[in-house]
Amino acid sequence: DVKVTQSSRYLVKRTGEKVFLECVQDMDHENMFWYRQDPGLGLRLIYFSYDVKMKEKGDIPEGYSVSREKKERFSLILESASTNQTSMYLCASSSLIGQETVVWPRGGYTFGSGTRLTVV
Amino acid sequence: AQSVTQLGSHVSVSEGALVLLRCNYSSSVPPYLFWYVQYPNQGLQLLLKYTSAATLVKGINGFEAEFKKSETSFHLTKPSAHMRDAAEYFCAVTQSTGANSKLTFGKGITLSVRP
Repeated sequence: DVKVTQSSRYLVKRTGEKVFLECVQDMDHENMFWYRQDPGLGLRLIYFSYDVKMKEKGDIPEGYSVSREKKERFSLILESASTNQTSMYLCASSSLIGQETVVWPRGGYTFGSGTRLTVV
Repeated sequence: AQSVTQLGSHVSVSEGALVLLRCNYSSSVPPYLFWYVQYPNQGLQLLLKYTSAATLVKGINGFEAEFKKSETSFHLTKPSAHMRDAAEYFCAVTQSTGANSKLTFGKGITLSVRP
């Protein structure tokens, strides 16, 4: 079964720490994404990458950076964690829509189970 | 620019009743539209998607959605709610089909199902 794996389900970090959230996909997808999910705000895009070593800012990139050294792995980095970064973080991957087969439900975005980060 | 509006944050229905979750989109080009479901303590799971084929899209677990360009809507329906349908539902839109396509999500709607 294809999947997106996030390395940690729960994390507790201290203010000022450098935090790494790891995401690995086994579907050979070109695109990978990091979202944060907060009550009442839905999912907001932090960064995305459409190729190895490529990255694009999403809607809320401040305080975050990313790394994509290999196609299957996309890391989210909090350089100096702050309490307002306490959230659920979701990683996703997708193939190019134009190249998808029309065999449903393949294609689209596949999400990991999320990492609930608490910064104290 | 692309955006999605999901009015209201919570819908409650009785088991066996019709489920209707509303989604309106804004897009400068023909959109691709998606509905995702998130069960408690889990990631998002794709329910269905519209990618410019049939306007009535059937998904998993008995859900379906109809793309209406004139109303810029993509409402999600299910004829008969089941207790296991209680979850959070997200509508999402993307405009591009290229290498840098990205999804924009609505704020989500929590569906409760009463016995």
